[in-house]
Amino acid sequence: AQSVTQLDSQVPVFEEAPVELRCNYSSSVSVYLFWYVQYPNQGLQLLLKYLSGSTLVKGINGFEAEFNKSQTSFHLRKPSVHISDTAEYFCAVTPGNYGQNFVFGPGTRLSVLP
Amino acid sequence: EPEVTQTPSHQVTQMGQEVILRCVPISNHLYFYWYRQILGQKVEFLVSFYNNEISEKSEIFDDQFSVERPDGSNFTLKIRSTKLEDSAMYFCASRTGRSTEAFFGQGTRLTVV
Repeated sequence: AQSVTQLDSQVPVFEEAPVELRCNYSSSVSVYLFWYVQYPNQGLQLLLKYLSGSTLVKGINGFEAEFNKSQTSFHLRKPSVHISDTAEYFCAVTPGNYGQNFVFGPGTRLSVLP
Repeated sequence: EPEVTQTPSHQVTQMGQEVILRCVPISNHLYFYWYRQILGQKVEFLVSFYNNEISEKSEIFDDQFSVERPDGSNFTLKIRSTKLEDSAMYFCASRTGRSTEAFFGQGTRLTVV
């Protein structure tokens, strides 16, 4: 079974400042890793994913994440945030077999302050 | 761009009533899912469906829940006798057999009163 931890439930940050949202996972098998974003009153939108290859992956809206296998982490970063980045961010994992379900972390609420 | 469509966007029902939540997955996708998110809480897996049968379900998905793909395009979640604690946002998702990301619909907000 897999589990996902997002240690920070809320992250306030000023506009144009850098941000890092932390994600750690546990799994006995290899996994694929994802970050989804949920804007207020909306569904889940894929930000980026790690399947294999380069451990640094770039996503939409200037976000990137780095997979660290030894630390079982997949932290999300953005060098300069905008007010419009205010949202809930979910880290998710799925086993490396097609069709298996996704396990989500509890989410981190990013609040960008003017 | 193809997307997963869910209807209705918001449904209010009385406790004990049956509800059916509808989803139209992306047309060439083979794996279908229902998740729920109670207000302010994490996204929880309910059930996955492949090849016209349930492939996996969580402990939340008890006998009150059922899923169906009645006509090859719609994917429905039925709750037979709703409880107050069923109030949540329900998300449908689908994915192909060859990619690994899931595409989520916008959700149906179910309010049981």
